[in-house]
Amino acid sequence: GEDVEQSLFLSVREGDSSVINCTYTDSSSTYLYWYKQEPGAGLQLLTYIFSNMDMKQDQRLTVLLNKKDKHLSLRIADTQTGDSAIYFCAERANTGFQKLVFGTGTRLLVSP
Amino acid sequence: ETGVTQTPRHLVMGMTNKKSLKCEQHLGHNAMYWYKQSAKKPLELMFVYSLEERVENNSVPSRFSPECPNSSHLFLHLHTLQPEDSALYLCASSQVDRDANEQFFGPGTRLTVL
Repeated sequence: GEDVEQSLFLSVREGDSSVINCTYTDSSSTYLYWYKQEPGAGLQLLTYIFSNMDMKQDQRLTVLLNKKDKHLSLRIADTQTGDSAIYFCAERANTGFQKLVFGTGTRLLVSP
Repeated sequence: ETGVTQTPRHLVMGMTNKKSLKCEQHLGHNAMYWYKQSAKKPLELMFVYSLEERVENNSVPSRFSPECPNSSHLFLHLHTLQPEDSALYLCASSQVDRDANEQFFGPGTRLTVL
C-alpha cells in the first residue's frame, strides 16, 4: 500500500536554507507534490515533480527526487519568517482515482 | 471569487443536528474532492467526484453524505455526527485530464461536534 512519511518538526533561522524530507513507498507514483498550510488555512500547492525528473527548481524552491531510495526533499533558500507553516509531501497513487496520499506534515518554524 | 471557496468557515453542531458544508470552485475544473484533516493524522480522502459522478468513497460512514449537483459545486451533508468527527474538512478541485492533475484546496470548514 501507499505510505508517506515526514519528520514532524524543523527549526531554522531566518536567511538559512531549510530542507524538508519525505519518503514514500509506492514506486509506481507518477507525480509527487509539496503543499504548504498556514494556520487556519487550506493547503497551498507549492510545486510538483514528475517521477522521471531528478530535480526541479522554482525561484527559492528546489525539489530533489531520488527514485531509487523513494526519497523526496524540498529545499527553501533564504528562508523567511513568512515561510513558517506546515509542509506536506504527497504522492499520486496509481490505485484508486489518481488519489493523493499525504504525509503527516513537517512543521517549519523560522526564527528571526 | 477566485479559486476554491468553502462555507461556513466554522461550524459547531450537536450530535442530533443536520448541517451541510458547501464548496464552490471557480477554476473550471472537472473533479472535486472532500478531505478530512484531524490533528496528528494524515489527510484522509473521503469522496471524489469526477464529471459529477462519485468515483471514490473511502469507507466513509453514512452519516456523511456528499452531493455534487454540477461541476462547480460540492456539498457534504452531515447528520447524527459523533464528537470524533470534529476536524477540518477540506474541499479541493482539479482538472483530471491535465498531466499533473494538481489539486487546489479551499480554506476548509472547522467542524466541532459537541
